[in-house]
Amino acid sequence: KAGVTQTPRYLIKTRGQQVTLSCSPISGHRSVSWYQQTPGQGLQFLFEYFSETQRNKGNFPGRFSGRQFSNSRSEMNVSTLELGDSALYLCASGSFPGADQETQYFGPGTRLLVL
Amino acid sequence: AQSVTQLDSHVSVSEGTPVLLRCNYSSSYSPSLFWYVQHPNKGLQLLLKYTSAATLVKGINGFEAEFKKSETSFHLTKPSAHMSDAAEYFCVVSQWAGSYQLTFGKGTKLSVIP
Repeated sequence: KAGVTQTPRYLIKTRGQQVTLSCSPISGHRSVSWYQQTPGQGLQFLFEYFSETQRNKGNFPGRFSGRQFSNSRSEMNVSTLELGDSALYLCASGSFPGADQETQYFGPGTRLLVL
Repeated sequence: AQSVTQLDSHVSVSEGTPVLLRCNYSSSYSPSLFWYVQHPNKGLQLLLKYTSAATLVKGINGFEAEFKKSETSFHLTKPSAHMSDAAEYFCVVSQWAGSYQLTFGKGTKLSVIP
């Protein structure tokens, strides 16, 4: 099976712009979670989607949003970018409901640099 | 609420010597525990997981971890370090809260000296 794919892998934006990141989960997986990784804050949970519904959300401002499509692919959007949004954004997919449902499998990430 | 403490931010070992990366967790319920590895500029790769079966868990690349409930620990070990093991390692707790939510430790950077 192919793993989790994320596009683009690298992105450079300027403050005030918006950005959309894409994630395709492992085939058959219906749960997709997003995480932000920074040197200062480590890995932080953004939100989780299942069957096109957001089930959980972390403690991030409303500028961070996401959605999931009927084929389980997910996008996250960050509007009005700030310098502090520079980070590695990781997507993870899970097999919920089903065997191994507690486990999340990560993609390679999208490295976002905000100038 | 759940939390994870990785006791060392940086561990340095010589090639061929044992590796020990320490992790303590706090959880209200029986957790699922994981170790992930992250090589530079890469995503997270699953090394191994504990989900209430055998307390000694074997993972990929010769790593293993032992779940000790009385000590609330889940330390990662490997008998003999290889240069390719140099990376950052994350101890993670997963619990159900409307979805499976992961709580990450701050990571331990492993350096392997030739």
